[in-house]
Amino acid sequence: QQPVQSPQAVILREGEDAVINCSSSKALYSVHWYRQKHGEAPVFLMILLKGGEQKGHDKISASFNEKKQQSSLYLTASQLSYSGTYFCGTVKLNFGNEKLTFGTGTRLTIIP
Amino acid sequence: NAGVTQTPKFRILKIGQSMTLQCAQDMNHNYMYWYRQDPGMGLKLIYYSVGAGITDKGEVPNGYNVSRSTTEDFPLRLELAAPSQTSVYFCASSYSRAGDYEQYFGPGTRLTVT
Repeated sequence: QQPVQSPQAVILREGEDAVINCSSSKALYSVHWYRQKHGEAPVFLMILLKGGEQKGHDKISASFNEKKQQSSLYLTASQLSYSGTYFCGTVKLNFGNEKLTFGTGTRLTIIP
Repeated sequence: NAGVTQTPKFRILKIGQSMTLQCAQDMNHNYMYWYRQDPGMGLKLIYYSVGAGITDKGEVPNGYNVSRSTTEDFPLRLELAAPSQTSVYFCASSYSRAGDYEQYFGPGTRLTVT
């Protein structure tokens, strides 16, 4: 049960804002966000834990609605370096918290 | 620290051949993972390990085997390669449970089976 991300792709001009959404049909323990540039490995951005704790990037913000099993990643005043594919990963509640299931990704393109 | 290293970076296999993808980490992480990423898709978990001697299946384990004899190393074995195994393979590690800790990824191995 892969989480669903929206939009699938977005193009922004430098300085604009974007919101990327992640939705699961299962009760979640945590939501993770990673960014992957073309031809490279994914890089960690944030973890949002059930109960409100967050760990991660100080220039990117995110939210986790535990009741709706949804998370959103907020990219403000976008920079060229923000380009890449963003993946959310979810960890289901009550399954040992050992496995991360990734979504299909959102491709973000920033143009000057 | 080198972090997570993977070898080889690229490999072409013929159908039916076998190979081992190597993964090592020098961060003393307990948890290690193998993912595959098909073009334009997300990452799918193949196998994971919570410590030396302990492994478990992920979402897509068929056609693969793993072992973990040390904390540092987590090799992935492909037996009887098939074209459906053409993919980019990423190894990752985390200090502890996936739910609580970030994963550090290796640079990947690009495998083509023809």
